[in-house]
Amino acid sequence: AQSVTQPDIHITVSEGASLELRCNYSYGATPYLFWYVQSPGQGLQLLLKYFSGDTLVQGIKGFEAEFKRSQSSFNLRKPSVHWSDAAEYFCAVGYNNNDMRFGAGTRLTVKP
Amino acid sequence: DVKVTQSSRYLVKRTGEKVFLECVQDMDHENMFWYRQDPGLGLRLIYFSYDVKMKEKGDIPEGYSVSREKKERFSLILESASTNQTSMYLCASSFGVQETQYFGPGTRLLVL
Repeated sequence: AQSVTQPDIHITVSEGASLELRCNYSYGATPYLFWYVQSPGQGLQLLLKYFSGDTLVQGIKGFEAEFKRSQSSFNLRKPSVHWSDAAEYFCAVGYNNNDMRFGAGTRLTVKP
Repeated sequence: DVKVTQSSRYLVKRTGEKVFLECVQDMDHENMFWYRQDPGLGLRLIYFSYDVKMKEKGDIPEGYSVSREKKERFSLILESASTNQTSMYLCASSFGVQETQYFGPGTRLLVL
């Protein structure tokens, strides 16, 4: 079965530090890749997506992600974290058989 | 801006009650989805609909049914609520199944 893995359940970083959230997915040709963010008590909001082209994609709120086909990864990064980035982050992968899979999520805590 | 609304933010029901959760989108999207979100499990697809009166089972359809009589509206029905259906329920819509999904704010359901 197709699956998406976010290895880190919970990450704590200090404000101003850099951030990388990991996402790996099971093999699939030309996947569609997404990162969503969920603030407490809210629905999910799209941060960025990759369909094709440049493997480094820029998103909202200063986030970026890099698609690495050889590693089946789509890691999310931010050079300097702000306290307002505290939230839960979900990686999602759309496969060619019209199947969309979400990871279990990574909860980000930001220390002052 | 795409708007997806859900009929209730919080619901408390008793075991055995019939529960209706309603979702409305205003962007003429073909596809609508119902997910269940539980800690550590991420989002699990209950049902999705790709057109009026059309539906497909997701990963966990047992105990749920859905209705889509109009394009903009997708209802999730718990025929006889049970305590293990206590969860956060998220509705989403999209143009294509693999396209960006737009989420509602969620309904937190407590079944006593």
